[in-house]
Amino acid sequence: KQEVTQIPAALSVPEGENLVLNCSFTDSAIYNLQWFRQDPGKGLTSLLLIQSSQREQTSGRLNASLDKSSGRSTLYIAASQPGDSATYLCAVRISGGYQKVTFGIGTKLQVIP
Amino acid sequence: GAVVSQHPSRVICKSGTSVKIECRSLDFQATTMFWYRQFPKQSLMLMATSNEGSKATYEQGVEKDKFLINHASLTLSTLTVTSAHPEDSSFYICSCRPVRGGSYEQYFGPGTRLTVT
Repeated sequence: KQEVTQIPAALSVPEGENLVLNCSFTDSAIYNLQWFRQDPGKGLTSLLLIQSSQREQTSGRLNASLDKSSGRSTLYIAASQPGDSATYLCAVRISGGYQKVTFGIGTKLQVIP
Repeated sequence: GAVVSQHPSRVICKSGTSVKIECRSLDFQATTMFWYRQFPKQSLMLMATSNEGSKATYEQGVEKDKFLINHASLTLSTLTVTSAHPEDSSFYICSCRPVRGGSYEQYFGPGTRLTVT
């Protein structure tokens, strides 16, 4: 059974700081890994998707890496802004079948102006 | 493109009543739709997977007679919470997988907040 863990559970940083969010998963037989953002009481916004054959993806100030063999992914946020405050979810899609997605519990980020 | 809507966004109902939540893919057709729920301070958990025109596949521990799923068309799936109780209060999110050869991308709806009083 795939388990996804995100560390830390919560993070508070001053504006402008660079930060790293961590995600680990137990089963390396994944199809892809995706990072989402969730604002309070809202749905999910997809940030970055990394296929199992890829090592990283970049979008603006965000960079996500994937080390499938060790079961780890990181989301790097450069020059954080108050608008980045949200919960960040890591989701792993397994290979085969319906390609079930397993989510981590998320990291709640607060960027202080 | 790839927009998914849910209706309603929020609903409050009394214990014992039934509530229907709609999930629509607005600009694409979805072979498969997924229903998730999220309790406070917990992760999203897959409830069931539905394919158009066939019965839904429920995850272990999810009561299929309580959470009725209908995937009547390639653009609409509904989740009906029957005889709702306060413990069913949660955030319900659907996702849709497009009818595209080889693509397993899922697009998520904005979610529905259900409160049962």
